Amino acid sequence: QLQLQESGPGLVKPSETLSLTCTVSGGSISSSSYYWGWIRQPPGKGLEWIGSIYYSGSTYYNPSLKSRVTISVDTSKNQFSLKLSSVTAADTAVYYCARGIRGSNLDYWGQGTLVTVSS
Amino acid sequence: DIQMTQSPSTLSASVGDRVTITCRASQSISSWLAWYQQKPGKAPKLLIYKASSLESGVPSRFSGSGSGTEFTLTISSLQPDDFATYYCQQYNSYSPSFTFGPGTKVDIK
Repeated sequence: QLQLQESGPGLVKPSETLSLTCTVSGGSISSSSYYWGWIRQPPGKGLEWIGSIYYSGSTYYNPSLKSRVTISVDTSKNQFSLKLSSVTAADTAVYYCARGIRGSNLDYWGQGTLVTVSS
Repeated sequence: DIQMTQSPSTLSASVGDRVTITCRASQSISSWLAWYQQKPGKAPKLLIYKASSLESGVPSRFSGSGSGTEFTLTISSLQPDDFATYYCQQYNSYSPSFTFGPGTKVDIK
């Protein structure tokens, strides 16, 4: 059974960079059949796609966040990562990592991790 | 960019009710639409993909329909476990980018 687990600091200061890692177990990240994505959800609000990556390293970002987002993949560790720079309180959210089927929808999600931006 | 809307934003219903949620896209997305269920404190769970295909393990009381710009999620007989928030999501076949609808909360009447 595929599992995804987010990890990283739960508290980040304003103007700093948020860094999260998603560790994939029960399957290989190195498959051309899938992509890997980050989605966030501010408290009490809806879901927002942040960006996606293929194991080859090809990335796709939400235009509204593109200038601040970097997503990378480490196939040797079966992990992919998110960096979001210059954070503000508006970036406080539960951050989810997920797997998507190439040309299709997301099918597996991590449990999510709350990141709070505060001094 | 494709925008997604959902109606209603909140729906109050009773166990056994037939429930319908509508999702509209700002331009045609063919059948590239998924529905997710989310309960408080949990990750979203895939219910329907490609507008009408039921994900494995999802009860048959859930069904999806539509194409182009208008889609519906129907729960034929609402069960206690179904009280949750439902999101539609548009995706496409050529890049892993997508947009979610704002969500519909189904609560107890």
